Amino acid sequence: DVKVTQSSRYLVKRTGEKVFLECVQDMDHENMFWYRQDPGLGLRLIYFSYDVKMKEKGDIPEGYSVSREKKERFSLILESASTNQTSMYLCASRPDRNTGELFFGEGSRLTVL
Amino acid sequence: KNQVEQSPQSLIILEGKNCTLQCNYTVSPFSNLRWYKQDTGRGPVSLTIMTFSENTKSNGRYTATLDADTKQSSLHITASQLSDSASYICVVSFNDYKLSFGAGTTVTVRA
Repeated sequence: DVKVTQSSRYLVKRTGEKVFLECVQDMDHENMFWYRQDPGLGLRLIYFSYDVKMKEKGDIPEGYSVSREKKERFSLILESASTNQTSMYLCASRPDRNTGELFFGEGSRLTVL
Repeated sequence: KNQVEQSPQSLIILEGKNCTLQCNYTVSPFSNLRWYKQDTGRGPVSLTIMTFSENTKSNGRYTATLDADTKQSSLHITASQLSDSASYICVVSFNDYKLSFGAGTTVTVRA
């Protein structure tokens, strides 16, 4: 079975803290994505990665960075968390550019106080 | 402005009844359109995919339609069940990686 695992389902952090969100997929997929989901706005792309060591900015990269040192792992980093980064974060993967279906993790709900 | 608009934002139906969700898009050029189902507290899961040349596709009690000329898609749920309560998200692909997401329609099925 396809599996995308996000390390934390719920996090509460304080403004200014550094936050790491981890995502691991066990399907040998090339592409991985980080989205945030807010009510009424749908999913918005933060960063994506076509392959190991590669990363591309999405539509809302400000305040975020990513790391993909291994094919199966894609990390999202908030260098200095702010209250407007309170959101649901969803990680997704897909086999390659030609295969459109995304496989999502369960999501990480982050609250920044 | 969002390139994918879904309606209604939410709806409530009685168990056993049918409902139809709408998705209008302005994305161009068009590659394919998917409907995802997202249960509360879970990640989205793909229900159907439709390419430019397809008009209708079914997955059990879910039937998606596509009119590429008017840039409209619909998702019809037949004989709704309590487990159909979820958000349904329309996703349009317009190049090899770029995806545009609708805000979703929240469906609540009541006994």
